[in-house]
Amino acid sequence: DAGVTQSPTHLIKTRGQQVTLRCSPKSGHDTVSWYQQALGQGPQFIFQYYEEEERQRGNFPDRFSGHQFPNYSSELNVNALLLGDSALYLCASSLWGNPYSNQPQHFGDGTRLSIL
Amino acid sequence: QKEVEQNSGPLSVPEGAIASLNCTYSDRGSQSFFWYRQYSGKSPELIMSIYSNGDKEDGRFTAQLNKASQYVSLLIRDSQPSDSATYLCAVTNWSASKIIFGSGTRLSIRP
Repeated sequence: DAGVTQSPTHLIKTRGQQVTLRCSPKSGHDTVSWYQQALGQGPQFIFQYYEEEERQRGNFPDRFSGHQFPNYSSELNVNALLLGDSALYLCASSLWGNPYSNQPQHFGDGTRLSIL
Repeated sequence: QKEVEQNSGPLSVPEGAIASLNCTYSDRGSQSFFWYRQYSGKSPELIMSIYSNGDKEDGRFTAQLNKASQYVSLLIRDSQPSDSATYLCAVTNWSASKIIFGSGTRLSIRP
């Protein structure tokens, strides 16, 4: 049973560049969430995709955008990179449910993004 | 006030003892509560989930929830060196579309 897979594992970019990170959810899951985890901090929720639409969004600027494909995989795009965007970017998958469902999230290994 | 608060630690516990990790949250509408373990340089791994008041046990782990006090805890019995990691508390309120993690508690099990 394939878990959540992310690519690439590491990435180095310079300020002002753009980056695309990719995620394939765990088999059977249809919902993908993205998180940013700075060193020494807990994951911060960026946004969540279901049925190819952004369903929830955290407190992140419009430079952060995403997409979900019909096969449930997802991309996170970040434009105009800043030094402060250096972090571990985590993708998590789950099953969509009603607003009161209790679906835990399963994380991928993450993409370590370094901005020079 | 942070929405989910955890003591950053490090919490040092001797091998074989009980480790007690605590988490408080501010949103009374929170419905689901999770504990994740994160080893250095790795991604978070779900170890416990709890949805109703009381205790939930799974092997050496026990999660405790008290919604009136807005408090959730994780007990690790017979602590092992392999339990040394950062433990993240996560709280969700689906009706408000919020998924919030604490900053984590670093646990160190000393031989």
